[in-house]
Amino acid sequence: SQQGEEDPQALSIQEGENATMNCSYKTSINNLQWYRQNSGRGLVHLILIRSNEREKHSGRLRVTLDTSKKSSSLLITASRAADTASYFCATDAGGNEKLTFGTGTRLTIIP
Amino acid sequence: NAGVMQNPRHLVRRRGQEARLRCSPMKGHSHVYWYRQLPEEGLKFMVYLQKENIIDESGMPKERFSAEFPKEGPSILRIQQVVRGDSAAYFCASSPRGSEKLFFGSGTQLSVL
Repeated sequence: SQQGEEDPQALSIQEGENATMNCSYKTSINNLQWYRQNSGRGLVHLILIRSNEREKHSGRLRVTLDTSKKSSSLLITASRAADTASYFCATDAGGNEKLTFGTGTRLTIIP
Repeated sequence: NAGVMQNPRHLVRRRGQEARLRCSPMKGHSHVYWYRQLPEEGLKFMVYLQKENIIDESGMPKERFSAEFPKEGPSILRIQQVVRGDSAAYFCASSPRGSEKLFFGSGTQLSVL
């Protein structure tokens, strides 16, 4: 079964606004990662947050993790047209060093 | 340092033919993962390999699908007797030992006619 579920499934915002995506998962994890996928391309790693961390920043990205609620959020501040992509969360709950991916959020930035 | 290389980029097969998808991991990466993605969906884990060993194939269909990562050369995902339902994008990812982060190739789009 799918470990991660992102919401919303799709999000359209104006350039310059902030975008927030959420991810929920079902079982205990050691870490949670966010990846970006541009249309027709492979995934690119954005950020990793460990289970003992609550918040992490990387440039315009801010990730939070609430292990009690089994949820994470990805915030992209001051969005740009180039941020248009699908965003996936991934957890290591599947064991054996493999990642289990969510269903993704399609983000569209309107210039 | 070249990224993860997958070929071919697009592969068209007729029902019943065989499909061979190749993946060359990044230099120094000993772990290879294969994922399948259907349109508008997330990635589904298929198999995790290290050199000459299959570590986890829990996501691989029991029949027609096989994977290998030989001592020399690329990792190969092989699909025998393809059916229309095999049409999907197949992504390979690699990582160095001890890393939790995956590096993805650009994928192979398989179309079964």
